[in-house]
Amino acid sequence: QKEVEQNSGPLSVPEGAIASLNCTYSDRGSQSFFWYRQYSGKSPELIMFIYSNGDKEDGRFTAQLNKASQYVSLLIRDSQPSDSATYLCAVNPGRGDYKLSFGAGTTVTVRA
Amino acid sequence: GAGVSQTPSNKVTEKGKYVELRCDPISGHTALYWYRQSLGQGPEFLIYFQGTGAADDSGLPNDRFFAVRPEGSVSTLKIQRTERGDSAVYLCASSLMGAPSSYNEQFFGPGTRLTVL
Repeated sequence: QKEVEQNSGPLSVPEGAIASLNCTYSDRGSQSFFWYRQYSGKSPELIMFIYSNGDKEDGRFTAQLNKASQYVSLLIRDSQPSDSATYLCAVNPGRGDYKLSFGAGTTVTVRA
Repeated sequence: GAGVSQTPSNKVTEKGKYVELRCDPISGHTALYWYRQSLGQGPEFLIYFQGTGAADDSGLPNDRFFAVRPEGSVSTLKIQRTERGDSAVYLCASSLMGAPSSYNEQFFGPGTRLTVL
């Protein structure tokens, strides 16, 4: 079982729609969770960070965390063509461990 | 200010050769990470430095891989006897000291694309 798994893509959504991305993780004790966006040929950039159960909103992005289900999701509202990218879920175990474990990513294409 | 820089941006080498990849972190960042990303996959952790010392090298795949950070700033990832399976994008990231978070973000460099023929 992979440490971090993401729903397989690619995901194609029309402009203005909601894109929903899912991620599950295997280490129940994991403490912090990240969503990175990676444009083709570029390096990952952080877009969301969440560490407590519930929702966290930042502009058009909402991250949701459910530690009991070991599940974290990202919603992109009012999707724009500029949101077309690969979205990577990353997990940090905490407990003095600072590395990130990444999922394989979900590629999102927003159709104009 | 300047971000994380990596050189070279591309490296093509032959199987069995030795390569060095360089990372220059953001000024003031004491933590430095190396990851590698294969096509269609997420970054995979290799090694983490806190200052000059390797705090966690559990991700290095075998003893052909070695990394140094002698003065606590620039880091070099060294790969001996390269194999075709080493082909990937090698990413470097830096951050302030401590656990990753939104205010202690790991900033990634542009990566070095290594191709082993």
